[in-house]
Amino acid sequence: DQQVKQNSPSLSVQEGRISILNCDYTNSMFDYFLWYKKYPAEGPTFLISISSIKDKNEDGRFTVFLNKSAKHLSLHIVPSQPGDSAVYFCAARGGSQGNLIFGKGTKLSVKP
Amino acid sequence: DTAVSQTPKYLVTQMGNDKSIKCEQNLGHDTMYWYKQDSKKFLKIMFSYNNKELIINETVPNRFSPKSPDKAHLNLHINSLELGDSAVYFCASSQGQWSGYTFGSGTRLTVV
Repeated sequence: DQQVKQNSPSLSVQEGRISILNCDYTNSMFDYFLWYKKYPAEGPTFLISISSIKDKNEDGRFTVFLNKSAKHLSLHIVPSQPGDSAVYFCAARGGSQGNLIFGKGTKLSVKP
Repeated sequence: DTAVSQTPKYLVTQMGNDKSIKCEQNLGHDTMYWYKQDSKKFLKIMFSYNNKELIINETVPNRFSPKSPDKAHLNLHINSLELGDSAVYFCASSQGQWSGYTFGSGTRLTVV
């Protein structure tokens, strides 16, 4: 059973436009959400996070929105750059010992 | 300076063999993890150690045995390798169980 779902396996965006990556979760007890970015042959690297007591967190070109009633979060990248092309993983903290539970990832391609 | 390093990066071995993957972190973190990314791209937790003590052991065959000689190292030994063990294995660390993770670059294991 997938507790964290990223239903879009891939997304293609033109450089300079907005990229919106979506994530849904099933467990209302999750209290902390993170986005990780992964390049091929590398490990995931932390990008941005949000606590369940907030609905928005911004860091430069990256903004994460949380809608707790819908159990949905999204990552906005504005403006998108070719170097943003990577796989983005959504993760929620809430495993049995506070471990992170990951979605399957969305592969973002930003075309010049 | 690599924060979380895994060796080897690639491992090709025959069914039935026993192999080990090593992980070391120089961040001073007290919690370390092993995650498995299978062919469906899910990142699933296998084990977690906090200060050398096992705190998470998900449903993993007992052919997999983690060993933590100190809090900076968490090695993964796999006995009697099977085709289904082929995956990318990621080591990660965090300070406490309730903070973001730093991942290693992964070990791609191929069992033939």
